[in-house]
Amino acid sequence: DIQMTQSPSSVSASVGDRVTITCRASQGISSWLAWYQQKPGKAPKLLIYAASSLQSGVPSRFSGSGSGTDFTLTISSLQPEDFATYYCQQANSFPLFTFGPGTKVDIK
Amino acid sequence: EVQLVESGGGLVKPGGSLRLSCAASGFTFSSYSMNWVRQAPGKGLEWVSSISSSSSYIYYADSVKGRFTISRDNAKNSLYLQMNSLRAEDTAVYYCARDLLDDSSGYSLYYFDYWGQGTLVTVSS
Repeated sequence: DIQMTQSPSSVSASVGDRVTITCRASQGISSWLAWYQQKPGKAPKLLIYAASSLQSGVPSRFSGSGSGTDFTLTISSLQPEDFATYYCQQANSFPLFTFGPGTKVDIK
Repeated sequence: EVQLVESGGGLVKPGGSLRLSCAASGFTFSSYSMNWVRQAPGKGLEWVSSISSSSSYIYYADSVKGRFTISRDNAKNSLYLQMNSLRAEDTAVYYCARDLLDDSSGYSLYYFDYWGQGTLVTVSS
């Protein structure tokens, strides 16, 4: 099975900060990676798919990059509504999808 | 507007059974593969099961294989998860989620673009 790790596990940031979250796969997954945002008590929301494609309706301050084993999610200017937990998900080993453990972004 | 509404969660004893439902609206349900994803309290996301648009292909996580059964009724725009032999470690919020389709090809991209609000399953004596 492909294991996903994320770093950091949590980050404290201020509104307007640039935030970068890293996701690493235990083996190469090409560009088969998505990023989700989840707020407390809510369902996850798809932000990025295929490593760098922005899902419809998602603000352009979110961007994704990477391929192979190393990926990043960047929020260029953190907004109040962006405080949440972010998960990566690999889709390379279909149908055995796996998620990362999550990165919590909270207010400094 | 795409909507997915789960129901059927609740408290069940270890070894018991439960059937979850997911009612879909706002899109052509029969064109999409569907999925169940769960989240234990305070924990991360775990993919549980997937079913193709015509039910031809069905997949399960090893943790539920042989105990859970996914199914769908395209005439009723509904997705189901029959859960048997439930264990304490099955306690979680269960979400139904739709596969993202590639606009040009219509093929599934194996990412989850719409999710329901979730239904809580608690397995405890």
